Amino acid sequence: QKEVEQNSGPLSVPEGAIASLNCTYSDRGSQSFFWYRQYSGKSPELIMFIYSNGDKEDGRFTAQLNKASQYVSLLIRDSQPSDSATYLCAVNQGGYQKVTFGIGTKLQVIP
Amino acid sequence: GAVVSQHPSWVICKSGTSVKIECRSLDFQATTMFWYRQFPKQSLMLMATSNEGSKATYEQGVEKDKFLINHASLTLSTLTVTSAHPEDSSFYICSARVPTGPSGANVLTFGAGSRLTVL
Repeated sequence: QKEVEQNSGPLSVPEGAIASLNCTYSDRGSQSFFWYRQYSGKSPELIMFIYSNGDKEDGRFTAQLNKASQYVSLLIRDSQPSDSATYLCAVNQGGYQKVTFGIGTKLQVIP
Repeated sequence: GAVVSQHPSWVICKSGTSVKIECRSLDFQATTMFWYRQFPKQSLMLMATSNEGSKATYEQGVEKDKFLINHASLTLSTLTVTSAHPEDSSFYICSARVPTGPSGANVLTFGAGSRLTVL
């Protein structure tokens, strides 16, 4: 079983719609969860991190965490073509342990 | 803040040669840096954790004699791919923990990455 699982996509949504990206993780002891965005040929950049159950909102982005279900999601409201990228879910077991990444979901926002 | 500079951004070399990639933290001190490798359409895979003033910690399956890591100062870590072969062609990315991140969470900032092509 992979430590961090994501559907590789592509996920296609029309411009202005809500994009929903999902991620599950296997280590129940994981404490910190991250969403990174990676444009083609570039390195990842942090969008959000979350470590408490529930929702965390930042502008058009909302991260959702359900530790009981070992599930993390990212919602992007009012999707824009510039949001087209690969979104990486990452998990940290806590402290300054290594961060493990999922394969990433490729999002395509259609104008 | 928390900027990591990495170079070269791309390099082409002949099989059997060695390539050095540098990673610098520009506006903070990084006692620990992480080196990742990413093959096309695959996830970032942690290769090793670089610790200032001590030996790097390598992940299982990563050859420490092939991928030499040196973290000689609080702002510089280097990865040397020795005797490179075509199968080493990949995207190598360094990262460091953001010092202003929440306590106990490894919020990472990444260098721009180095694309290595071995002919």
